[in-house]
Amino acid sequence: EDQVTQSPEALRLQEGESSSLNCSYTVSGLRGLFWYRQDPGKGPEFLFTLYSAGEEKEKERLKATLTKKESFLHITAPKPEDSATYLCAPRGSQGNLIFGKGTKLSVKP
Amino acid sequence: DAGVIQSPRHEVTEMGQEVTLRCKPISGHNSLFWYRQTMMRGLELLIYFNNNVPIDDSGMPEDRFSAKMPNASFSTLKIQPSEPRDSAVYFCASSLGGGAEAFFGQGTRLTVV
Repeated sequence: EDQVTQSPEALRLQEGESSSLNCSYTVSGLRGLFWYRQDPGKGPEFLFTLYSAGEEKEKERLKATLTKKESFLHITAPKPEDSATYLCAPRGSQGNLIFGKGTKLSVKP
Repeated sequence: DAGVIQSPRHEVTEMGQEVTLRCKPISGHNSLFWYRQTMMRGLELLIYFNNNVPIDDSGMPEDRFSAKMPNASFSTLKIQPSEPRDSAVYFCASSLGGGAEAFFGQGTRLTVV
């Protein structure tokens, strides 16, 4: 059975304090791993796609990495506007996205 | 493009009533997903269409739920009869092809009282 686990469930950082979010997955026939950001009351917003182990993608203060069983979202010198829930979603062999429960990030000024 | 459009944004209904949620995917996208989000269970896939054909409906909770995609630009999710435990935010998403990123609508917040 396909499974996705994100940790920690919640993370509170001070502005400028770098950290990483983890996504562990067991998915057969992986067709990419997707990271999304979700703000309260809104739909998930696409951030990155990673397709193979060793791949890295960067966007502003965010960098996503992928291994065969995990993905990390590194946040460097975060700002309050980075506060959101971050969701990872491996894509299975049938094309469906399997979402983790997310990490709720709070960045205090 | 206006993105994925869902309607209504909010729906409050009484238990036992029929509820229909609507979705217009991004033009040109050939994959469409319906998700349900709750605090307890997170985002759960209900059904996935590819080229208007249902590919995976294993997430549909029970026979009270049905989804259709009569053409490439419209899909509906119907609940009949609705129950309080159906209260959740329902998202529609679309993507171009089986490996591309999916774009989400703003969701429909359903409350069944």
